[in-house]
Amino acid sequence: GIQVEQSPPDLILQEGANSTLRCNFSDSVNNLQWFHQNPWGQLINLFYIPSGTKQNGRLSATTVATERYSLLYISSSQTTDSGVYFCAVERGGYNKLIFGAGTRLAVHP
Amino acid sequence: GAVVSQHPSRVICKSGTSVKIECRSLDFQATTMFWYRQFPKKSLMLMATSNEGSKATYEQGVEKDKFLINHASLTLSTLTVTSAHPEDSSFYICSAALAGARIYEQFFGPGTRLTVL
Repeated sequence: GIQVEQSPPDLILQEGANSTLRCNFSDSVNNLQWFHQNPWGQLINLFYIPSGTKQNGRLSATTVATERYSLLYISSSQTTDSGVYFCAVERGGYNKLIFGAGTRLAVHP
Repeated sequence: GAVVSQHPSRVICKSGTSVKIECRSLDFQATTMFWYRQFPKKSLMLMATSNEGSKATYEQGVEKDKFLINHASLTLSTLTVTSAHPEDSSFYICSAALAGARIYEQFFGPGTRLTVL
């Protein structure tokens, strides 16, 4: 099956710093989503981005489908950005999301 | 929009009892819902795909008689953990798919933490 790899696995930032999270996938996909799982376990949809670039406030994402990777940019990080960031992909016809292992982010004041 | 709720948020039960978890899409209709399991500090693992009005499709290794799934309406799916044992303790999360032209985005419920004593 398709493999989804996220890097780095862990990241510690000082408040105000910028960061880039990466998601590599091993096959072509129809759908790619980025999520933030908060400390209470809720997954929050960040981006639905099978290709191209999107921005939402301090967050932006870029997916280069032909090269099988996606990047999530966090600028001016805040302590509330702490949590786990997951990338998940879906292959056509199956409608099932395959999750990466996540990047655990801790932002310190 | 695209809000998914789960109930209960937390449940503690004795070994051998059954527990039902509800997943509702509050502001949209979902022909497909999904059930995931997450162990501490691990990623989400898909357990089954639930389609309204038909039998659920289970992932390899998931016991369908242990984890009963019912999707009786376009806004409600239930997961029943039958004869629960301590190894069933986990965080269970559902999602509902919002489908449109060229879009198939999943939205997740807040999760249910099950502890089996």
